[in-house]
Amino acid sequence: EPEVTQTPSHQVTQMGQEVILRCVPISNHLYFYWYRQILGQKVEFLVSFYNNEISEKSEIFDDQFSVERPDGSNFTLKIRSTKLEDSAMYFCASRWVPAADTQYFGPGTRLTVL
Amino acid sequence: DQQVKQNSPSLSVQEGRISILNCDYTNSMFDYFLWYKKYPAEGPTFLISISSIKDKNEDGRFTVFLNKSAKHLSLHIVPSQPGDSAVYFCAATSNTGKLIFGQGTTLQVKP
Repeated sequence: EPEVTQTPSHQVTQMGQEVILRCVPISNHLYFYWYRQILGQKVEFLVSFYNNEISEKSEIFDDQFSVERPDGSNFTLKIRSTKLEDSAMYFCASRWVPAADTQYFGPGTRLTVL
Repeated sequence: DQQVKQNSPSLSVQEGRISILNCDYTNSMFDYFLWYKKYPAEGPTFLISISSIKDKNEDGRFTVFLNKSAKHLSLHIVPSQPGDSAVYFCAATSNTGKLIFGQGTTLQVKP
């Protein structure tokens, strides 16, 4: 069964460093998402991406964040200058059609900012 | 932002009995609702969904009920099994596509 994959599973970085989190969505899906979950809190939407551009972003997704689909398979989230409060689980999700369809999640990347 | 609420942080049931997980929402623009199951250090796994044009959707042991007038949905698991023990998230979406999640309910099914 097709699945969303994410690498790395765990990333430790120093405050102020740049990190890139990688995702391979399900191959025939067209819509891509990043969510995050800070420990003990709910899963929060960060950004949605379709047709090589951002379709929606949350207030969390400020200028320090960017997303890219560099080729036909990968979908990346870059944090330019990490802060302590960026420590969280980051989940990538994908879905096939825009509405009334299920988003499938990857296993997540645990980002720890020291 | 409390558009989707799961007011019970935890639920404990005996194996073989029914588990009922509840979820309330405030945004009347939501038109599609999903339940996800999550184990620690894993991503949410899709369980079952329901469109706002329906009031019930069933898939094996899992049934989701939607009461639009009350802005309430529930997930029923019958019979509950120890392997069902996990955190269950309710999520809602409108035509924008982004999912709004509840806080989650930790279900423990005791053998």
